[in-house]
Amino acid sequence: TQLLEQSPQFLSIQEGENLTVYCNSSSVFSSLQWYRQEPGEGPVLLVTVVTGGEVKKLKRLTFQFGDARKDSSLHITAAQPGDTGLYLCGGSNYKLTFGKGTLLTVNP
Amino acid sequence: DSGVTQTPKHLITATGQRVTLRCSPRSGDLSVYWYQQSLDQGLQFLIQYYNGEERAKGNILERFSAQQFPDLHSELNLSSLELGDSALYFCASSAHAGDRGQYEQYFGPGTRLTVT
Repeated sequence: TQLLEQSPQFLSIQEGENLTVYCNSSSVFSSLQWYRQEPGEGPVLLVTVVTGGEVKKLKRLTFQFGDARKDSSLHITAAQPGDTGLYLCGGSNYKLTFGKGTLLTVNP
Repeated sequence: DSGVTQTPKHLITATGQRVTLRCSPRSGDLSVYWYQQSLDQGLQFLIQYYNGEERAKGNILERFSAQQFPDLHSELNLSSLELGDSALYFCASSAHAGDRGQYEQYFGPGTRLTVT
C-alpha cells in the first residue's frame, strides 16, 4: 500500500507569514500533484512535478519534488487569507494516492 | 470551474436505501474517477473508468458499483446505504488512462451524501 503522509495536519498563521508543508512517502512516485480544496468544493489542481529535484513556482507558491521522488514540499511566501484551504498532495503511479492534507488558515 | 459536473449537489436519504450519483467529465476527457472523502479517511479512490471500461479499482465496497456510458458520463450507484457511507463523493476526469502515471485529474464540485 502506498501511503502519503502530510504534515502538519493543521496550520494557522497570520497574513504575511511564510510557511512550508510537507508530503512524505516510503514509495517512489512517477509524478506528484498538489491540489487546494476549499470547503464544499472539489480539489483544484495547482501543479504537477515529475522529475526528481524539480522545483516549480506558481506566483508565491514554490513546489519541490524530492531527488528520490518520494517526497515533496510546498512553500508559500507572504501568505494571504485567500490561501486558506486544504492542501492535498497526490502521488501517481498506476493510480493517484492522496495524503489526508494540511488544513491551512491564514488570518487577516 | 473545472468543467466536470456532478449532480445532485446534496442528497439526504435513509439507511438501506439506494442512490445514484451522476458525473459528466470535461469535454474530451476519456477517464472518469470516483472518490469518497470523509474527515477521518481523507480522499479515497474508489474506481476508474476509461472510455467505457473499468480500468482500476480502489477501496470500493461491494454495495457500490459504477459505470461509464457511451457519451462518457458516469454514474456511481450506492446501495444498502449505512450511516458510515455519509461523505462527500467526488468525480474527476482526465484525458488519458493514466497507465504511465503522469496524468492530471480535474475534480467536480462533489455530491454531499447524508445517510440518516
